Amino acid sequence: DTGVSQDPRHKITKRGQNVTFRCDPISEHNRLYWYRQTLGQGPEFLTYFQNEAQLEKSRLLSDRFSAERPKGSFSTLEIQRTEQGDSAMYLCASSLGGAGDTQYFGPGTRLTVL
Amino acid sequence: SQQGEEDPQALSIQEGENATMNCSYKTSINNLQWYRQNSGRGLVHLILIRSNEREKHSGRLRVTLDTSKKSSSLLITASRAADTASYFCVGGFKTIFGAGTRLFVKA
Repeated sequence: DTGVSQDPRHKITKRGQNVTFRCDPISEHNRLYWYRQTLGQGPEFLTYFQNEAQLEKSRLLSDRFSAERPKGSFSTLEIQRTEQGDSAMYLCASSLGGAGDTQYFGPGTRLTVL
Repeated sequence: SQQGEEDPQALSIQEGENATMNCSYKTSINNLQWYRQNSGRGLVHLILIRSNEREKHSGRLRVTLDTSKKSSSLLITASRAADTASYFCVGGFKTIFGAGTRLFVKA
């Protein structure tokens, strides 16, 4: 396994359009996380899944954002009606779960909303 | 929230020197982790220290943890230009990152 992968790596869209990102975690990992990172800041937690169940969502995750992990493997993050403020790097991470859990991050998807 | 806040915000040193950065957090933790992020690249996990540990080593990295002061430090010895990156600490399960310490190692 080569690690967490994300697709696409870059996305440019016009304001008001919908976008969807995909994350493929490390295969045996039960947990999957989504973060957003803007320039000069650390990643901000958005949501996480334990298998297919979405267990926690940040207040940052407005109703325009939705994430799924239908079969407990890959996950998608959709942003509807994008706004310029959505421009950021979207990071996905996965982990085995349990105490002392280490998250392994993907390369991220950079979103630019024009 | 279990937020790590790193200090200093930025650090510039010469290659070969040691770099020390600090982290403070607000609530009780089971463990604390340090991550590195190179410009344009993903976050890489460096080291995890558990709440019952006081010091841990990994190669050129040394991490200390003081749970009474809710603080941790990361020491990078004999720094290299390739260590130039942002470094983040994260406490516990709910990974809330601070703004990080931006380390610049001059060759």
